[in-house]
Amino acid sequence: DGGITQSPKYLFRKEGQNVTLSCEQNLNHDAMYWYRQDPGQGLRLIYYSQIVNDFQKGDIAEGYSVSREKKESFPLTVTSAQKNPTAFYLCASRGLGHYEQYFGPGTRLTVT
Amino acid sequence: AQSVAQPEDQVNVAEGNPLTVKCTYSVSGNPYLFWYVQYPNRGLQFLLKYITGDNLVKGSYGFEAEFNKSQTSFHLKKPSALVSDSALYFCAVRVESNSGYALNFGKGTSLLVTP
Repeated sequence: DGGITQSPKYLFRKEGQNVTLSCEQNLNHDAMYWYRQDPGQGLRLIYYSQIVNDFQKGDIAEGYSVSREKKESFPLTVTSAQKNPTAFYLCASRGLGHYEQYFGPGTRLTVT
Repeated sequence: AQSVAQPEDQVNVAEGNPLTVKCTYSVSGNPYLFWYVQYPNRGLQFLLKYITGDNLVKGSYGFEAEFNKSQTSFHLKKPSALVSDSALYFCAVRVESNSGYALNFGKGTSLLVTP
């Protein structure tokens, strides 16, 4: 997990509240990604960003928003419009010219 | 669409025996394939990748994977399993769009190595 931090590790929120998950990397990677993991469904791409101030929707972007104001930071906001927000959220990054992504330790979000 | 499939939800193997975790792919063009491992409540760790070249790719922790173009497979292997190899394993393929690159993951295979 080294070089990519996600905080907090566990997060609890009430239904109807927006919540922001943090992702920071010190690897000088250009690309950053957010995935959602649910049991038995693997990882699904929420948003990704190849460069600062630019990002694209992934397969399940509805109910989520992101920003990329700095190269090292890619926060994800889970909005109240996301119908099933309880999940394990994983952030990843990739260096320019590299193929593999490196993952942070994840944040487990529980919304009740 | 570029995709991978992992046909087994769970694989059980005895410690010391060889292990295989299966992955098949469906891509247009040349496939860029990856294997990751995940321990409980942790992020994914990169094991190995196939981009081009030798069909047998060696990776971390004694794992290797065999790329087979005719069978569109990229199976993960290890000659002698350890109890500590018990984890969730994901196969992935690179997908390309006008906006850059991302990974499509399989649903994962849970590996259980028993003493």
